[in-house]
Amino acid sequence: DAGVIQSPRHEVTEMGQEVTLRCKPISGHNSLFWYRQTMMRGLELLIYFNNNVPIDDSGMPEDRFSAKMPNASFSTLKIQPSEPRDSAVYFCASRWTDTQYFGPGTRLTVL
Amino acid sequence: GENVEQHPSTLSVQEGDSAVIKCTYSDSASNYFPWYKQELGKRPQLIIDIRSNVGEKKDQRIAVTLNKTAKHFSLHITETQPEDSAVYFCAASIDSGGYQKVTFGTGTKLQVIP
Repeated sequence: DAGVIQSPRHEVTEMGQEVTLRCKPISGHNSLFWYRQTMMRGLELLIYFNNNVPIDDSGMPEDRFSAKMPNASFSTLKIQPSEPRDSAVYFCASRWTDTQYFGPGTRLTVL
Repeated sequence: GENVEQHPSTLSVQEGDSAVIKCTYSDSASNYFPWYKQELGKRPQLIIDIRSNVGEKKDQRIAVTLNKTAKHFSLHITETQPEDSAVYFCAASIDSGGYQKVTFGTGTKLQVIP
């Protein structure tokens, strides 16, 4: 298995632009998590899906952030409009039993 | 909600010495405690985990202990090597009926000096 796949690996955009991050979980995993990591705030859970259904989105910072999981093999995290303070590494993780397996992350820079 | 505190934030040890990282959690319902290692520029990767019905678990040079009463757990690395240098995160998880809410600690940057 290729593990959790994220794209793009790096994204540089200008303030106000829409950004879409993509994640393909490990086949057979039924839970998917989106995290944001910054030096100041550490690793923060943004949203959690179970069987494609959003279970907990209390970590989504504001309405500019939205996430979808249209099927078991694909999820997106969208930021619109983006702001410089959204610059971070965004990780997607998936799990079947206990362990969460992280993707390589997307490093987002908003200028 | 759950609150996980992790100490120290940075730790330097000589190669061959032991390293200990400590975490406390607030929610007594937490029942799963993974530890992740994150090397610079890479993803967090699970190195060891422990469940609330176990007090200690060991895997080669790595061990984790859990004190449910005091709500704290620790990571122990023995015979440290330069490749152990990384940021280590503890986490506390409530895992019930397919629902898992994981709260991470703030991380410990471990430097092993050759």
